[in-house]
Amino acid sequence: SAVISQKPSRDICQRGTSLTIQCQVDSQVTMMFWYRQQPGQSLTLIATANQGSEATYESGFVIDKFPISRPNLTFSTLTVSNMSPEDSSIYLCSVQGLAGLLYEQYFGPGTRLTVT
Amino acid sequence: GNSVTQMEGPVTLSEEAFLTINCTYTATGYPSLFWYVQYPGEGLQLLLKATKADDKGSNKGFEATYRKETTSFHLEKGSVQVSDSAVYFCALSDRGAGSYQLTFGKGTKLSVIP
Repeated sequence: SAVISQKPSRDICQRGTSLTIQCQVDSQVTMMFWYRQQPGQSLTLIATANQGSEATYESGFVIDKFPISRPNLTFSTLTVSNMSPEDSSIYLCSVQGLAGLLYEQYFGPGTRLTVT
Repeated sequence: GNSVTQMEGPVTLSEEAFLTINCTYTATGYPSLFWYVQYPGEGLQLLLKATKADDKGSNKGFEATYRKETTSFHLEKGSVQVSDSAVYFCALSDRGAGSYQLTFGKGTKLSVIP
């Protein structure tokens, strides 16, 4: 398994500002994912971030709103830009690792964002 | 496309009661199935998994059996504890489609009262 940390753990931001969330893994991984969990909802995949290439965004998410960096195999950032109250969510990063013959995803503790 | 359907919550049980959370899925390939648990204020933890038909995943007293004929992966526990109060997510990863991305159900909130 992998140990994942995220910073900040929570934040309260004003609308119109941007917040960058950091995700650090204790081992080198190829694939990292960013998810959004809106209040009382399930997880929605925002994008897949592979080192050395552009992030791949899911339908409904765009790079201008959620720019992602992946400078190396242990680190990634997600920026939530020009925030509005609708962006209030938990943002989670996850990594894919091989456990035997099966790929598993391991999740960070999440960043709880409130936009006022 | 892939989808996961879980029973609606919230579920409230007394301590030592039997738990079942239903989960059914639709997938185009040969999915692996997972249950994740999210304790209050925390991220997701993998609870158990199964990779092929008739596999049984188990952990911490929880069990789920991969039933291909009914496309189901119901979560069960014989005697729940207050510490099991959490949100439980069923998920699949469809290897046959060449993607290891997870598709999640909506989650079922479990509250166990003393």
